[in-house]
Amino acid sequence: AQSVTQPDIHITVSEGASLELRCNYSYGATPYLFWYVQSPGQGLQLLLKYFSGDTLVQGIKGFEAEFKRSQSSFNLRKPSVHWSDAAEYFCAVGVNQAGTALIFGKGTTLSVSS
Amino acid sequence: GAVVSQHPSRVICKSGTSVKIECRSLDFQATTMFWYRQFPKKSLMLMATSNEGSKATYEQGVEKDKFLINHASLTLSTLTVTSAHPEDSSFYICSARDRQGGSPLHFGNGTRLTVT
Repeated sequence: AQSVTQPDIHITVSEGASLELRCNYSYGATPYLFWYVQSPGQGLQLLLKYFSGDTLVQGIKGFEAEFKRSQSSFNLRKPSVHWSDAAEYFCAVGVNQAGTALIFGKGTTLSVSS
Repeated sequence: GAVVSQHPSRVICKSGTSVKIECRSLDFQATTMFWYRQFPKKSLMLMATSNEGSKATYEQGVEKDKFLINHASLTLSTLTVTSAHPEDSSFYICSARDRQGGSPLHFGNGTRLTVT
């Protein structure tokens, strides 16, 4: 069965510091992987996605993620965090490129300290 | 970019009443829409898949008679929570898939339902 694990429930990072949010997935076939961000009381915004090809994926807002098949991971990174990045981040695996029937991780709350 | 509008953003209703949540794709046609429920500090849980012109497909454990889904047009799906109870209080989010396919889902901004 498909599953997504985000080991870190809450992370606090200083503004300007680098960030890495972890995501591990379990899926029998080629995974379609997504990272979404959710601001308080808001819906989800797609940050980036991986379908195939280059394992390092660039997204919006300066985020990137690296797909590592051997580790079943798709960690999200950002070199320098801004206070506006404070939000909830969800990793998800889908069965196709359209991301239908997404399975979400439980999310990681990012707090940014000044 | 593609926009999905969800309305209302917040609603408070009394136990036993019904409430309808609308999900509209504003600049594209959506053959498929999805309804998710999000509990506090929890992930999003897929409730059902709504296909235009046909019955919705519900996930295991979701009561179809309680969460009525209608997808009458290519731009509108509605979720009606019937005979609401306090335990139905949650954050409900819809998403839509562009009819032309190939693009990831577009999410609405969610609806915070509080049942008193």
